[in-house]
Amino acid sequence: DTGVSQDPRHKITKRGQNVTFRCDPISEHNRLYWYRQTLGQGPEFLTYFQNEAQLEKSRLLSDRFSAERPKGSFSTLEIQRTEQGDSAMYLCASSLEYRTVGGELFFGEGSRLTVL
Amino acid sequence: QQPVQSPQAVILREGEDAVINCSSSKALYSVHWYRQKHGEAPVFLMILLKGGEQKGHEKISASFNEKKQQSSLYLTASQLSYSGTYFCGTEWTGGGADGLTFGKGTHLIIQP
Repeated sequence: DTGVSQDPRHKITKRGQNVTFRCDPISEHNRLYWYRQTLGQGPEFLTYFQNEAQLEKSRLLSDRFSAERPKGSFSTLEIQRTEQGDSAMYLCASSLEYRTVGGELFFGEGSRLTVL
Repeated sequence: QQPVQSPQAVILREGEDAVINCSSSKALYSVHWYRQKHGEAPVFLMILLKGGEQKGHEKISASFNEKKQQSSLYLTASQLSYSGTYFCGTEWTGGGADGLTFGKGTHLIIQP
């Protein structure tokens, strides 16, 4: 299967611990996005990459969050010193184009984070 | 700024039609529609670019009125498989954040 894959699917951690999520996009897609989704809400944009360059970060993304996409392939999202408010589903998506047909997002299954 | 979706929820019987609306206070460049089933990832349905196009996808179609900054998703002769939460995602003409901004979603329940 060549869809977007995310790992781990579920993570339970204690407040104050660091967590890291990985996303493998569709191989030919050069744009990669991270979104956060809480219960009953739509996905909220966090950040995105064009190849290896991080081009935009949401104001929602505090200094405890960092994302990388080395070599323009997979991406990681790290949350340091987790807080209970970080509990959410973290969705990764990739796309081939921008602002045109073909710019649709292909989402992964998500990584669900629970902070105790 | 988050687009506003209406209604928040719809309950239909199989075979009935539904309309879901999405409106923005900013000039839109494009509107995307996604469907998400419980516990699953959002799945792309269609993209509409400014120009007032109407797109179709089986019995699901959508329109985009760029003057009113509105899009509507039409589901005709609904099937049980249409159940889920529908999100519109918008991109603004002026650019800015390059990710889609999603609405809060419309919950669609299709009953047999």
